[in-house]
Amino acid sequence: GAGVSQSPSNKVTEKGKDVELRCDPISGHTALYWYRQRLGQGLEFLIYFQGNSAPDKSGLPSDRFSAERTGESVSTLTIQRTQQEDSAVYLCASSFNIGSVEQFFGPGTRLTVL
Amino acid sequence: AQSVSQHNHHVILSEAASLELGCNYSYGGTVNLFWYVQYPGQHLQLLLKYFSGDPLVKGIKGFEAEFIKSKFSFNLRKPSVQWSDTAEYFCAVTLGSYIPTFGRGTSLIVHP
Repeated sequence: GAGVSQSPSNKVTEKGKDVELRCDPISGHTALYWYRQRLGQGLEFLIYFQGNSAPDKSGLPSDRFSAERTGESVSTLTIQRTQQEDSAVYLCASSFNIGSVEQFFGPGTRLTVL
Repeated sequence: AQSVSQHNHHVILSEAASLELGCNYSYGGTVNLFWYVQYPGQHLQLLLKYFSGDPLVKGIKGFEAEFIKSKFSFNLRKPSVQWSDTAEYFCAVTLGSYIPTFGRGTSLIVHP
C-alpha cells in the first residue's frame, strides 16, 4: 500500500478483555516498530521486528503484551487481560530496514480500556 | 538510559512570529537527531534529521534545526510561522541501535 495502515482506528474494551491491534507496513519494508503514546507523553518504544524476528522485547511493559509478525508483512500486537493503564494510542512504523533511520508511521489505534 | 527533553509543552504564537522549540538529550556519544511533526488528523512524519556534517539542518516547510554538541541540543526553528504549522512536534534521538527515543512533544498553536 501507499503507507502504513493500522486497524482498528479506535478500540474500546472492558478491563480484563484481550485486544488485538493490527499493522500493515509499507510493502518492502523489512523493519517494523510498535510504540505506545499515552496522553501528554512521548512515544514509548515497545518492540521492533527485523523480518519476522523480534530481537529485542525488553520494551514490552509486561507479559500481557505480545507481538508477532508473519511473512515480513502484517504484525499484530496483542494485549491480554487489559488494564486501564493500557489506554493509549498504539503507533506502528516501518522502515526499509533496521539501518534506515527514517521511519514511516501509521495513523495509530486509540485504545480505551473502561 | 537515554532521555530526550522538550521543554516547551505548549506554545501559542501569532502568524509571522518566530519559533524556537527546545530539545535536549542526555547522552554524549554519537547520536542521530530527528524532528517529527504530526498535523491534526494526520500521521507522524519526518520534518528533518541530522546524522553528520553541517550542524545546521534544513527541513521541509522552512524549518531548520541546529545541532550544538556541547549543549546536547537540537532546537527547531522557523523564522515566520504560519497557521498551517499548527501541529504536535516531537524530537527524537537514536544511539546506535536505530531505535529512537522520543521527547514528550510540543503542541504548537498558531493563531491567524
